[in-house]
Amino acid sequence: DVKVTQSSRYLVKRTGEKVFLECVQDMDHENMFWYRQDPGLGLRLIYFSYDVKMKEKGDIPEGYSVSREKKERFSLILESASTNQTSMYLCASSLMGVAYEQYFGPGTRLTVT
Amino acid sequence: AQKVTQAQTEISVVEKEDVTLDCVYETRDTTYYLFWYKQPPSGELVFLIRRNSFDEQNEISGRYSWNFQKSTSSFNFTITASQVVDSAVYFCALSEALGNTPLVFGKGTRLSVIA
Repeated sequence: DVKVTQSSRYLVKRTGEKVFLECVQDMDHENMFWYRQDPGLGLRLIYFSYDVKMKEKGDIPEGYSVSREKKERFSLILESASTNQTSMYLCASSLMGVAYEQYFGPGTRLTVT
Repeated sequence: AQKVTQAQTEISVVEKEDVTLDCVYETRDTTYYLFWYKQPPSGELVFLIRRNSFDEQNEISGRYSWNFQKSTSSFNFTITASQVVDSAVYFCALSEALGNTPLVFGKGTRLSVIA
């Protein structure tokens, strides 16, 4: 089974803190994705990566950065957390190519106070 | 631009009722793929089905069935004889058939099945 794991299920941080969300997949997938999920807004893509050290902006990259130093690991970084970044963050991975299904992690619910 | 609309924000049904979740999409591509995912209360999205634009045959898997109609740009999902375990948020998604592009998700439909 494909496994996508995220470092924390719940996280509470203070405004202005630097926050790292980690995601690891064990199926040698080329693609990895970060989404945020908010009520009424569905899933919105923040960043994705199709190879080590490669990244592409999604729909809402402002206030976020990413890092992919190893194929299996994709990190989302909030340089200076703000309250409007309180959300559920979902990581996913997939094979590279046309329309492969994405496999999702369990999510990290981040609260910024 | 691609877009997926799930007009039903929340649906509530009594156990054993049939329920249909609507999905309408927009794309200029002639070749594309459509998906459905389920997000149970545990939070992890689970892949249910992928259908390409050239295959308009309906699909049935147990109590689940999918109706793809290109003429109306819809890919609706029906659960027959719903059960409490079907309670979840369901997402419809669309992908281009060229290149390595992310899925475009709808906003989801929250289904509550009451015992």
